[in-house]
Amino acid sequence: NAGVTQTPKFQVLKTGQSMTLQCAQDMNHNSMYWYRQDPGMGLRLIYYSASEGTTDKGEVPNGYNVSRLNKREFSLRLESAAPSQTSVYFCASNLAGQLYGYTFGSGTRLTVV
Amino acid sequence: AQSVSQHNHHVILSEAASLELGCNYSYGGTVNLFWYVQYPGQHLQLLLKYFSGDPLVKGIKGFEAEFIKSKFSFNLRKPSVQWSDTAEYFCAVNAWAGNNRKLIWGLGTSLAVNP
Repeated sequence: NAGVTQTPKFQVLKTGQSMTLQCAQDMNHNSMYWYRQDPGMGLRLIYYSASEGTTDKGEVPNGYNVSRLNKREFSLRLESAAPSQTSVYFCASNLAGQLYGYTFGSGTRLTVV
Repeated sequence: AQSVSQHNHHVILSEAASLELGCNYSYGGTVNLFWYVQYPGQHLQLLLKYFSGDPLVKGIKGFEAEFIKSKFSFNLRKPSVQWSDTAEYFCAVNAWAGNNRKLIWGLGTSLAVNP
């Protein structure tokens, strides 16, 4: 099925560990996004990639890095995980910038202990 | 700064009741407006969107929303809710922020429908 695929679905990390969240879309979308969702804080944009080869910071980029590997894939890396990064992470994509609605992945629930 | 306000944080209704969820934004220029739904344990899905034209927009699952430019509002409505509408609902507005267009999200409204 066409859509946005995120892996893993669940992850528990110890403080200081690193990990990469993977995201791939097969809809030929230009733009991809990483959000985190926390109770009472809604969705907050971490990083986005308007097109292949470009990445930009969102509202809450500290502690994260991203790579737009190709048009399909956009990964999010936590170099040294902290408890404050416990959250649900969503990847999303759309056709052209932020004019159109997004297609979201199913999310990664990350717990940092 | 641009912002999106969803007035109701938690709403509890009985089945067959009518629903209206408020969404107001603070931006005077051209906007595109969206409502997303997140069912328990699932990802966000687009319910409906407004770009231009008829300010009354119909979406999936019997939802509709009305864009009232003079009130900076885009309220979501459904005449008769079902238990399966239990979910979190997010309003989002696409607007200029500095030199870039930016999607600004409301904090969400949690809807619980009792059977």
